[in-house]
Amino acid sequence: AQRVTQPEKLLSVFKGAPVELKCNYSYSGSPELFWYVQYSRQRLQLLLRHISRESIKGFTADLNKGETSFHLKKPFAQEEDSAMYYCALQDDEKLTFGTGTRLTIIP
Amino acid sequence: DVKVTQSSRYLVKRTGEKVFLECVQDMDHENMFWYRQDPGLGLRLIYFSYDVKMKEKGDIPEGYSVSREKKERFSLILESASTNQTSMYLCASSLPRGGHGYTFGSGTRLTVV
Repeated sequence: AQRVTQPEKLLSVFKGAPVELKCNYSYSGSPELFWYVQYSRQRLQLLLRHISRESIKGFTADLNKGETSFHLKKPFAQEEDSAMYYCALQDDEKLTFGTGTRLTIIP
Repeated sequence: DVKVTQSSRYLVKRTGEKVFLECVQDMDHENMFWYRQDPGLGLRLIYFSYDVKMKEKGDIPEGYSVSREKKERFSLILESASTNQTSMYLCASSLPRGGHGYTFGSGTRLTVV
């Protein structure tokens, strides 16, 4: 069965420092992976998809099939990055989410 | 430009009540989903639907049922509410196979007392 693991429930980073949110997955097929973000008092929204290989709000994520990882990275954290982040795996018609990481940027 | 609308932001219900949570989307999406969101547990899929009158159980369907009579509307039903169903409920919709990702509603925070 598919599984998504986000090992860090909480992560605090100083403004201007690099950010890395970890995501590991287990899946027997070819994975399609996503990062979703939920800012305070806002709805959950798509941040980026691995297939588009784009950078959104300075964030990037590379799929590493050897390590079964899809870590989210940003070189310089900003205060507005404080939010809840979820990694998700597409399995046929549905998404399986990780348990989330709450990122706090310290001014 | 709200695209997925959940009818209630907050609900308080009594144990044993039958509870209806409504979700409407205006994007003509085939797929619709109900998740519950709990701290430390992330989002867990309750039910989903990939077409009108079609439904599939997710990971935690016990105590819930759903209805999809029209493409734009997907209802979650708690047959007999219990305190362990106190949670944030999120509705989402998508094109087939996730398309360009899910679009989520703003959520309904249900408290069962």
